[in-house]
Amino acid sequence: QKEVEQNSGPLSVPEGAIASLNCTYSDRVSQSFFWYRQYSGKSPELIMSIYSNGDKEDGRFTAQLNKASQYVSLLIRDSQPSDSATYLCATPPRGSQGNLIFGKGTKLSVKP
Amino acid sequence: DGGITQSPKYLFRKEGQNVTLSCEQNLNHDAMYWYRQDPGQGLRLIYYSQIVNDFQKGDIAEGYSVSREKKESFPLTVTSAQKNPTAFYLCASSMAGGNTGELFFGEGSRLTVL
Repeated sequence: QKEVEQNSGPLSVPEGAIASLNCTYSDRVSQSFFWYRQYSGKSPELIMSIYSNGDKEDGRFTAQLNKASQYVSLLIRDSQPSDSATYLCATPPRGSQGNLIFGKGTKLSVKP
Repeated sequence: DGGITQSPKYLFRKEGQNVTLSCEQNLNHDAMYWYRQDPGQGLRLIYYSQIVNDFQKGDIAEGYSVSREKKESFPLTVTSAQKNPTAFYLCASSMAGGNTGELFFGEGSRLTVL
């Protein structure tokens, strides 16, 4: 069974700073990775996906994948208090039929 | 509006009782999933279904049962055999065969055993 590991945090950053969230995974053959954002008491929503080594940017969000080191990260530039949430890293297990394995999530707090 | 509707949002159950959580989607998705989330934990897969009348166990299926009689509906029954049922239950759906990683989640059902 593949594992996805995340630091549970909380990670606290001041407003306007860059928040860096990290995730490591155990299965070298993993090909795709996803970041979900979950506000307290709410359901997760997909915010970023990344499939190849390197960076992928979408607005203030940048996902980074390093397959050799088996880690994936999410950078949030110009962090806002509205970014305060738990961020879940996920990847499909081998033989996946659409399901995902999720990390435990990192709680981010952006202080005004 | 297209989406996934879960009900009830909050549910209290006495020990020894079975409860059924409803999940309905109008996204025309073939695949549906049930996840469980405990405080400080990630999501753990209970059951999933790729097509009507077929479903597979996930990582923590013991004490749960599901049915998929209609494409739109995937109810989850939490039986009395589930030892620690208090949790946040999330239903999700996705396009068939898709490994886009995009799961659409309902708002969740919070079950508390008294």
